[in-house]
Amino acid sequence: SAVISQKPSRDICQRGTSLTIQCQVDSQVTMMFWYRQQPGQSLTLIATANQGSEATYESGFVIDKFPISRPNLTFSTLTVSNMSPEDSSIYLCSVEGTGEHYNEQFFGPGTRLTVL
Amino acid sequence: QKEVEQDPGPLSVPEGAIVSLNCTYSNSAFQYFMWYRQYSRKGPELLMYTYSSGNKEDGRFTAQVDKSSKYISLFIRDSQPSDSATYLCAMKGTGGFKTIFGAGTRLFVKA
Repeated sequence: SAVISQKPSRDICQRGTSLTIQCQVDSQVTMMFWYRQQPGQSLTLIATANQGSEATYESGFVIDKFPISRPNLTFSTLTVSNMSPEDSSIYLCSVEGTGEHYNEQFFGPGTRLTVL
Repeated sequence: QKEVEQDPGPLSVPEGAIVSLNCTYSNSAFQYFMWYRQYSRKGPELLMYTYSSGNKEDGRFTAQVDKSSKYISLFIRDSQPSDSATYLCAMKGTGGFKTIFGAGTRLFVKA
């Protein structure tokens, strides 16, 4: 299984500012995913990030609002831009397992974002 | 109709009870089935992973998949207060399908 860390673990931000969330994996992975989980809700996929290519965004999410970088096989960032209170949520990084864990999906601890 | 249906609960049981958590789905292409446990203010933790139909057991946890009925279950034996969490089912098909998550069931195990 993959061990995933995220920074920051939480933050409180002002409306109109931007926050970049970092995701680090302890092994090389092809696909990384970014999810949002609003209070009491399930997981909503924001985008899929493959190394060396542009991220693929789900319906309702755009690159200008959630730019993603994927510079190598162990790291990715998600930026939440021009934040509003509606962006208050938990943001989760996820990866697909490798080898015998292929098709399993693992999650980081999440970044709890509050926008005032 | 949602692709995956899961009762959000909450489900409250006494310590030591057998817990049954369930999901139904509509897409017959799903082949991989997962259960996640999520404690409050934490990320989801992969609990059980099964491929196709059948049962899988790991300690007090048993995952069951019935593809003919499009129905999956997670059973927790001898439930403990530490099992209190939200349990999410998830599933995906082959060939690049994205993972679809259920809404999650909140479980409370009372001491």
